[in-house]
Amino acid sequence: AQSVSQHNHHVILSEAASLELGCNYSYGGTVNLFWYVQYPGQHLQLLLKYFSGDPLVKGIKGFEAEFIKSKFSFNLRKPSVQWSDTAEYFCAVNGDNNAGNMLTFGGGTRLMVKP
Amino acid sequence: DTEVTQTPKHLVMGMTNKKSLKCEQHMGHRAMYWYKQKAKKPPELMFVYSYEKLSINESVPSRFSPECPNSSLLNLHLHALQPEDSALYLCASSQGWRTSGGTNTGELFFGEGSRLTVL
Repeated sequence: AQSVSQHNHHVILSEAASLELGCNYSYGGTVNLFWYVQYPGQHLQLLLKYFSGDPLVKGIKGFEAEFIKSKFSFNLRKPSVQWSDTAEYFCAVNGDNNAGNMLTFGGGTRLMVKP
Repeated sequence: DTEVTQTPKHLVMGMTNKKSLKCEQHMGHRAMYWYKQKAKKPPELMFVYSYEKLSINESVPSRFSPECPNSSLLNLHLHALQPEDSALYLCASSQGWRTSGGTNTGELFFGEGSRLTVL
């Protein structure tokens, strides 16, 4: 079975601060990794994804994430956050032996950016 | 804007009511999903349809009944729900897969959700 852990449940930052949200997964095979964002009152949107190749992936709105296989991690980063980044962030994993695209989500990290 | 459309956006129902949630996508995807999301919690998978066949049922109570009339539509029929079933119900779609192989990216596209309140 696969599982995902997000260690930061709540993060409060000031604008222009740097952001790093932790994500660790548990799965022994090949994985696809995702970060989704959910702005207040809105639907889940894909920020970025990793399937293979360059472990440093860039997504929308200046976000990036690095897949470190040896650490089973896929941390999300942004050099300088904005007030509009206030949202809930979910890391998700899909293992290669799934009978389907069963995304397993982490518990989420609620980010608040103070103006 | 999401390309997965869910209706209604809000639904209030009593425990004896029968209602349905609807989901539609026109991205040519062959897999569709229902997730349940409680406040401040991650989405939890309920059902998965692949090529209009129920592929996964995550031990969901029978008061939730999914239906996939065709590859573009997904319904969730609700009957005799409990107040604890109040949640945001998310529909998603993705490329399909075949048990015989084939590849897909695993990326899910989510609708805006239907917020259900059971009184």
